[in-house]
Amino acid sequence: DVKVTQSSRYLVKRTGEKVFLECVQDMDHENMFWYRQDPGLGLRLIYFSYDVKMKEKGDIPEGYSVSREKKERFSLILESASTNQTSMYLCASSLGVGYNSPLHFGNGTRLTVT
Amino acid sequence: DQQVKQNSPSLSVQEGRISILNCDYTNSMFDYFLWYKKYPAEGPTFLISISSIKDKNEDGRFTVFLNKSAKHLSLHIVPSQPGDSAVYFCAASAVRSGGSNYKLTFGKGTLLTVNP
Repeated sequence: DVKVTQSSRYLVKRTGEKVFLECVQDMDHENMFWYRQDPGLGLRLIYFSYDVKMKEKGDIPEGYSVSREKKERFSLILESASTNQTSMYLCASSLGVGYNSPLHFGNGTRLTVT
Repeated sequence: DQQVKQNSPSLSVQEGRISILNCDYTNSMFDYFLWYKKYPAEGPTFLISISSIKDKNEDGRFTVFLNKSAKHLSLHIVPSQPGDSAVYFCAASAVRSGGSNYKLTFGKGTLLTVNP
């Protein structure tokens, strides 16, 4: 089974702090993704990466950046945390991009910014 | 602009009956559709998918139906079990379009409650 591990289940940070969310997958997947989930809004894509050091913006990249230095690890960075970034953050990976390549998600990091 | 819509925020059914979850989409380039299930405090897990060349895909108690002309898909769960109680997300992507086919567009989810 694919395992996607997010380093923290819960985080509480102060406004203005730099925040790192870490994600590791163990199945040599090419693609990795960061989503956030908010009530009434579903899952929204922040950034994704299709190769080491490669990244593309998703639908809501503002206020975020990412880093992928190794294939198995994808980090989400909040440069200066704000209260509107309080959310559930979900990391995912996939082997390919087409049919029969569903995303596999981690258990999420619930971030609270105060 | 919501390209994938799940118009029912919640659905309640009795154990043993059929659950039908609906999803509509607006982007005619979408050709790959998936359903995910999410329990509280866990990440979404992949349930079943269908490509646009099919109109039905079945996996055990779960069947997904695709009506391309209506831009509508549905997930049927028969028989429903209490353990099926979760939020169900519909998702879509445009695999063949050559665009950003890495991206899945998700609906807002439907909370299914199966009562014993």
